[in-house]
Amino acid sequence: DQQVKQNSPSLSVQEGRISILNCDYTNSMFDYFLWYKKYPAEGPTFLISISSIKDKNEDGRFTVFLNKSAKHLSLHIVPSQPGDSAVYFCAASDRYGGSQGNLIFGKGTKLSVKP
Amino acid sequence: EAQVTQNPRYLITVTGKKLTVTCSQNMNHEYMSWYRQDPGLGLRQIYYSMNVEVTDKGDVPEGYKVSRKEKRNFPLILESPSPNQTSLYFCASSLGGTGKAFFGQGTRLTVV
Repeated sequence: DQQVKQNSPSLSVQEGRISILNCDYTNSMFDYFLWYKKYPAEGPTFLISISSIKDKNEDGRFTVFLNKSAKHLSLHIVPSQPGDSAVYFCAASDRYGGSQGNLIFGKGTKLSVKP
Repeated sequence: EAQVTQNPRYLITVTGKKLTVTCSQNMNHEYMSWYRQDPGLGLRQIYYSMNVEVTDKGDVPEGYKVSRKEKRNFPLILESPSPNQTSLYFCASSLGGTGKAFFGQGTRLTVV
């Protein structure tokens, strides 16, 4: 059973508009959530994270929102740029559990930002 | 420069011929792991290691072995590769408990 779900395999957005990528999780023990960005032929790179004690974290054009009651998080990119076109992975971690921070990934959402 | 280095980047091999993919990190991280990425399946964890001599299975460990004799190295071993192990493999490392992982560039493996 998937613990981290990204239900949209792909998303297409016009340059300058907002991109919203969604992620749902099932394990209530997860206390740390991360977004990774992946370009073709490269490894995933860390983008932004949020602890379960917060409901929002911002870093420049990127904002992650966490709704613990709904077990849902989203990544907002404003404004979207063509260079943001990549696959975005949502990941979750139970940092103080038995696996000490083992990351569980979603299947990814491919974002295409059109000029 | 902080990095995770995997070798080789590309490998084509035949069924049954043992191979090893190496992974090394220079950040003194306790935690290392291996993932495979397949179309439509995202990143699935194969094995992870919380420290030297401590390893555990991830979601898809069948057909793989790992070892952690030194903190910096975490090789992935395929004793008898099969075509269904054709995939893109990533090694990652992190400070234990932080969850923020750094990934290598990936190894594209084809088993024919």
